[in-house]
Amino acid sequence: QQQVKQSPQSLIVQKGGISIINCAYENTAFDYFPWYQQFPGKGPALLIAIRPDVSEKKEGRFTISFNKSAKQFSLHIMDSQPGDSATYFCAVRNAGNNRKLIWGLGTSLAVNP
Amino acid sequence: EAQVTQNPRYLITVTGKKLTVTCSQNMNHEYMSWYRQDPGLGLRQIYYSMNVEVTDKGDVPEGYKVSRKEKRNFPLILESPSPNQTSLYFCASSSPGTSGILETQYFGPGTRLLVL
Repeated sequence: QQQVKQSPQSLIVQKGGISIINCAYENTAFDYFPWYQQFPGKGPALLIAIRPDVSEKKEGRFTISFNKSAKQFSLHIMDSQPGDSATYFCAVRNAGNNRKLIWGLGTSLAVNP
Repeated sequence: EAQVTQNPRYLITVTGKKLTVTCSQNMNHEYMSWYRQDPGLGLRQIYYSMNVEVTDKGDVPEGYKVSRKEKRNFPLILESPSPNQTSLYFCASSSPGTSGILETQYFGPGTRLLVL
């Protein structure tokens, strides 16, 4: 069963707008919550990540908001740009020794000029 | 330049013909992993390796083999490829961050495989 549910599946935003992608997870044995960005023809690349003892982390236009009690975290892209058009994946890491990442299914973001 | 390389980038083969996709990283990472990416299914882990000579199954290991004889290399072997293994494959490597918690997985550029 899917332990990480990501939404929406696709998103269209106007340039300058705010893009919001959400992820919900199903158990508490996770210790690391990264977001990856993937451009067509490329491998995913780490965008931003958060630990569960922090409720928010901001890096430039990208912010992760983390709600531990609700088991949800979200990615906010402020002032979205056409260059942000990509697929975004959330993931959660198993707190055990195998360091396995469990991935959401991805969100395809298109930012219109 | 820190990177993960994969070869080949594109491969067309026929059912049953053994193939190997190579993966190499130059960052001295202990952890390496293989994923396949299929539309609507996201990234699914095939195999992973915690270090040299230590490998374990991921979520979809059937039909695949791996080996980790050297720290930098982690080849993916398809002994008898079938059409359902047509996919985009990614190798990734990582090492714990200084805190031991925050770590970055570095992905290769991908190998697109078509099995006829």
